[in-house]
Amino acid sequence: GQNIDQPTEMTATEGAIVQINCTYQTSGFNGLFWYQQHAGEAPTFLSYNVLDGLEEKGRFSSFLSRSKGYSYLLLKELQMKDSASYLCAVREADSSYKLIFGSGTRLLVRP
Amino acid sequence: DAEITQSPRHKITETGRQVTLACHQTWNHNNMFWYRQDLGHGLRLIHYSYGVQDTNKGEVSDGYSVSRSNTEDLPLTLESAASSQTSVYFCASSDGTQQYFGPGTRLTVT
Repeated sequence: GQNIDQPTEMTATEGAIVQINCTYQTSGFNGLFWYQQHAGEAPTFLSYNVLDGLEEKGRFSSFLSRSKGYSYLLLKELQMKDSASYLCAVREADSSYKLIFGSGTRLLVRP
Repeated sequence: DAEITQSPRHKITETGRQVTLACHQTWNHNNMFWYRQDLGHGLRLIHYSYGVQDTNKGEVSDGYSVSRSNTEDLPLTLESAASSQTSVYFCASSDGTQQYFGPGTRLTVT
């Protein structure tokens, strides 16, 4: 079966660091994506991991461990504008371009 | 600049009516997708297409259909709208890596 788990909600303080975890169980694996979605808007691409390790992109980093079926998104120096939902999505090996999405983590950044 | 658009952005319809949501992309991507997004369920795949004349069912395809007559457009049709189809609908296109999402259509079935 297919299962992607991430926490429903998280709260953090402006200027702090927050880590959003994602665990997955899928029949195949061909990459993991993180998207950001502000309320009432479309998801926008943040990061892509296909090999184990850390990918850094400015204040955002994403980590992948394929053996553990685990990824996290790390947000540093949090800003109020980072309040949004963060969606984890897996591309299965046999489906080429389809993505399976988790339910998303709603992050609230407080002053 | 290339983009992906959806219309209408908001739609209210009655139970039993046929509704078509438009999706148009100028990226020249072969791959296009329709999702619905509901609280607690994240994005769920309805239908997808990998090229002209190609269409495939996703995990929640019942009551929906798509057609792909050209590269730019993938319209989504609700054959007979039901209250359970009240949702926000997102179209996306892909070059094989990331997916680019349209702004969404909020559909209410009364």
